[in-house]
Formats: sequence, C-alpha cells, structure tokens
Amino acid sequence: DAMVIQNPRYQVTQFGKPVTLSCSQTLNHNVMYWYQQKSSQAPKLLFHYYDKDFNNEADTPDNFQSRRPNTSFCFLDIRSPGLGDAAMYLCATSEDSSYEQYFGPGTRLTVT
Amino acid sequence: QKEVEQDPGPLSVPEGAIVSLNCTYSNSAFQYFMWYRQYSRKGPELLMYTYSSGNKEDGRFTAQVDKSSKYISLFIRDSQPSDSATYLCAMSSPYSGGYRKVTFGTGTKLQVIP
Repeated sequence: DAMVIQNPRYQVTQFGKPVTLSCSQTLNHNVMYWYQQKSSQAPKLLFHYYDKDFNNEADTPDNFQSRRPNTSFCFLDIRSPGLGDAAMYLCATSEDSSYEQYFGPGTRLTVT
Repeated sequence: QKEVEQDPGPLSVPEGAIVSLNCTYSNSAFQYFMWYRQYSRKGPELLMYTYSSGNKEDGRFTAQVDKSSKYISLFIRDSQPSDSATYLCAMSSPYSGGYRKVTFGTGTKLQVIP
C-alpha cells in the first residue's frame, strides 16, 4: 500500500540536544509538509517542499530546519529543542494541485 | 480572530445518536472544505470534502457548507463506537506556488458510548 511513514514514532530528547525526525513516502507526491500539533490544538504548518523548493512559514522558529534529499524522503531537524517544542510532528504529502493531504502517523517528541 | 474556529468538545453521545460537528471561518478565499478524522496516536485522514455550498452525503456522513454564513458542518447518523475519534475541519486556500495551503480547526473529540 502506498503510504507515508514516519520514524521514530516516539522520540525523547534532552533540552538543547539536536534531534532529527524522518519521513518517507511511496506516493511519489511532489509536495511534502511538516506540521506541529500540540495537544488540543490545530496542526500548525512549519514548512513545505514543492519538489526541492523549500518554503518556510513566516512564524516558524529558526530552530526548525528541514532537508529533502530526494522525492521520497524529508527530514525535520530541531537544532536546540526547548520544552515548548514537545509535540506531535506530522508529515504529509500531496500532489501539487490537490487539496487532499496524506498524513503519516506522526512522531511524538518529548523534551526532558 | 482565528481563520477557523472549532469547538474542541469533548462530545460524548450514545451509540446510534446523530452527531453534529461544526466550524466557522473568516477567510472568503477558502475553496475546498474538508473533514479529517484522527484516531488516537494516528495521523489525520481525509473523511469528506466539498467545494460548493450545499450538502454532500457519503454513507452515514453528510458534509454541509454554507458559504454565505461561513459555516460548515459534519453530520454522523447512527453513530458507532468506531466513530470515536477527533474530527478536524480543514479549509484549502487557492492554488498558489505549487500547492494549496490547508488551515485546520483545533478538532472536536468525539466519544460514542456503546
């Protein structure tokens, strides 16, 4: 089955220790997104890629970076996690003109 | 004011009840109106979408859009325990720069009690 895969599902990191979350897709979609979702809040778009073109949301902190080495993979790097960065991180994909986004299961990040 | 407002609930109903979930929005440019369902510890999945004002039915689910009032609803008939999840409304902006930005509501947590 075509899908969006996120690893790890659960990640614990220490305050200030860099962490990388990964996402892969078998849908061959050219748009990939990273969202941050905190408890009882709407998913918040951090950035997206259209092919290799990176698009940062204006209010995404500099602490968050991303890489997309190829169509299938995308990474979220948090350079110095703070306690406020504890959240569910969702990766999603879409075809470029589509309204529909396909989500992975998410990575729950805990910062100690 | 948030672009999309959704009552977070939680909403608890007995099995077989009719459920009504609602969202309001402020951005007239939104084009597609969607409902995503999110089970615990899973990512959201698209349940229904509509483009124009009116009703769209899919089995036990009906999506309703009123663009004049900037109000959308999801109705679930004969609710089942398997419908227990968080329901997020979502709205898509016009296509620009290679994608359509989607704005989500906070989600309404629904529990259907057997």
